[in-house]
Amino acid sequence: ELKVEQNPLFLSMQEGKNYTIYCNYSTTSDRLYWYRQDPGKSLESLFVLLSNGAVKQEGRLMASLDTKARLSTLHITAAVHDLSATYFCAVGGLANGNQFYFGTGTSLTVIP
Amino acid sequence: EPEVTQTPSHQVTQMGQEVILRCVPISNHLYFYWYRQILGQKVEFLVSFYNNEISEKSEIFDDQFSVERPDGSNFTLKIRSTKLEDSAMYFCASSEYPGSGYTFGSGTRLTVV
Repeated sequence: ELKVEQNPLFLSMQEGKNYTIYCNYSTTSDRLYWYRQDPGKSLESLFVLLSNGAVKQEGRLMASLDTKARLSTLHITAAVHDLSATYFCAVGGLANGNQFYFGTGTSLTVIP
Repeated sequence: EPEVTQTPSHQVTQMGQEVILRCVPISNHLYFYWYRQILGQKVEFLVSFYNNEISEKSEIFDDQFSVERPDGSNFTLKIRSTKLEDSAMYFCASSEYPGSGYTFGSGTRLTVV
């Protein structure tokens, strides 16, 4: 079974600071997804990364994918309180039977 | 923006009872999924469904679980005899084609007492 690990599991950071969340996965995959989840809410799609070297940015969040290292990163720039949430990476695609394997999640708290 | 609709948002049931969770996927999507998330834990795959049959299921999806697409719009998850450990948030998702991004529903919180 494909394993997906995220670190850190918990992240507390001050507003204005930068930080990176890491997502490692165990076997080859077609694509990598990042989701955001607010407490008690559903999963909101943030990024879909489809190829080695892919980089996508939306606001203060930037995601990248290195398929050779089986690593994706989610970089937070100049964090604001509204970014407080749990962030999940998920690995999926045809090579994995079309199901998604989710990481353990990173609970981010941005302190004003 | 099209969305996946789930009902009910919260269901409380007694252990041993049957529950049916309902989902209306996005209309032009052909692939449907159920995932669950036990409180504070990661999201786990249950089952995928395409062309009116299960295409893949996980070890969690045992004989107590079943899925159905009873008409052209609904996609249901039935748990025949609920256990305490079935308490979780259940998410329905749909996708247009294999490997495309999912759209998740808002979830049904199932509490078994």
